[in-house]
Amino acid sequence: RKEVEQDPGPFNVPEGATVAFNCTYSNSASQSFFWYRQDCRKEPKLLMSVYSSGNEDGRFTAQLNRASQYISLLIRDSKLSDSATYLCVVTLRGDYGQNFVFGPGTRLSVLP
Amino acid sequence: NAGVTQTPKFQVLKTGQSMTLQCAQDMNHEYMSWYRQDPGMGLRLIHYSVGAGITDQGEVPNGYNVSRSTTEDFPLRLLSAAPSQTSVYFCASSFNGVGSKVYEQYFGPGTRLTVT
Repeated sequence: RKEVEQDPGPFNVPEGATVAFNCTYSNSASQSFFWYRQDCRKEPKLLMSVYSSGNEDGRFTAQLNRASQYISLLIRDSKLSDSATYLCVVTLRGDYGQNFVFGPGTRLSVLP
Repeated sequence: NAGVTQTPKFQVLKTGQSMTLQCAQDMNHEYMSWYRQDPGMGLRLIHYSVGAGITDQGEVPNGYNVSRSTTEDFPLRLLSAAPSQTSVYFCASSFNGVGSKVYEQYFGPGTRLTVT
């Protein structure tokens, strides 16, 4: 079983739609959680951190459920510029530091 | 700040050749890492380092070597290239958190490697 699993996608939605991405992780020792965004043929960039209390950044809301080992990302009022692959990330402590473990990503296409 | 830089951007190797992928950062980050990204697999950690002289293996270290002689540079060496190493390679860096503190990783633009 993969450490981090995500909706397989792709998601094709019209502009203005609300879209939700789901992510589950297998290791209960995972300590920190993030959503990264990756545009086609580009490097990943941090979208937002995810906290147990839930957090919001404009049109983006992230939730974490440690008991269920589940993370979500909600995008409201989708824009064409939201088209990208969304990567769920958890961290696990290695011998020397916290290592990032990436999910395979879910691709989003927002259509005009 | 240039951030994280990687060279080359593209490379084609023949099976059995060796090469070094370069990575440098100018943010004084202790933590540096190498990932490979393959379709459907996400990014997988190859090796990481938390400072000069300190490196450790990640999930997929076989066939790769690293060393860290300075804070700024973290080269990745392919010892004898194989077609299975065809991939996109990303270098990343961050401050190294204490305890459970985790900092954002910044990524370089990637190196697209093809091994024939």
